[in-house]
Amino acid sequence: SQELEQSPQSLIVQEGKNLTINCTSSKTLYGLYWYKQKYGEGLIFLMMLQKGGEEKSHEKITAKLDEKKQQSSLHITASQPSHAGIYLCGADGEKGTYKYIFGTGTRLKVLA
Amino acid sequence: NAGVTQTPKFRVLKTGQSMTLLCAQDMNHEYMYWYRQDPGMGLRLIHYSVGEGTTAKGEVPDGYNVSRLKKQNFLLGLESAAPSQTSVYFCASSYIRSNYGYTFGSGTRLTVV
Repeated sequence: SQELEQSPQSLIVQEGKNLTINCTSSKTLYGLYWYKQKYGEGLIFLMMLQKGGEEKSHEKITAKLDEKKQQSSLHITASQPSHAGIYLCGADGEKGTYKYIFGTGTRLKVLA
Repeated sequence: NAGVTQTPKFRVLKTGQSMTLLCAQDMNHEYMYWYRQDPGMGLRLIHYSVGEGTTAKGEVPDGYNVSRLKKQNFLLGLESAAPSQTSVYFCASSYIRSNYGYTFGSGTRLTVV
């Protein structure tokens, strides 16, 4: 079965610093989704990537999917305390199914 | 728009007791899902539904049952709770194609003692 591995597991950065979170799949990704979870709350959808080499941005967050569609990165520029939380990648488990799988998450803390 | 609403938000059960978690969405989404989130395990799919009257097993379905009698509601039942079912449960819903991602509820924190 497909697995999603995220790195790092946790990250502490000073406000204003850039950071990158990675999500690696054991199989080809047909759809890769990034979510943010604030502590004690549900997940908020950030963006979805489908095509090899695709890149999307939302405010100061940029996500990329590599050409082989097995790895995605989430980059935050000039981090702020509001970026703190848990970032999870999710993917369509298998093409044509409805079973979504998730990475174990990256816990981000931004120091003011 | 309320989005996805889960009730209750917190619950403590004794081993062997039963309970039902309710998920309601007002976005006319076809698909609905129940996940559990545990430390170090991430989110795992319990059951899901692709439409009213249909349900299917996910990754960890044992010990749970679900029903989707109405399109907007998806119920998760625990017939005989066990300590291993202590977790945070999330409901989510989506359109037929998940291009826009899932909409999640705020979660139910369940403790089984």
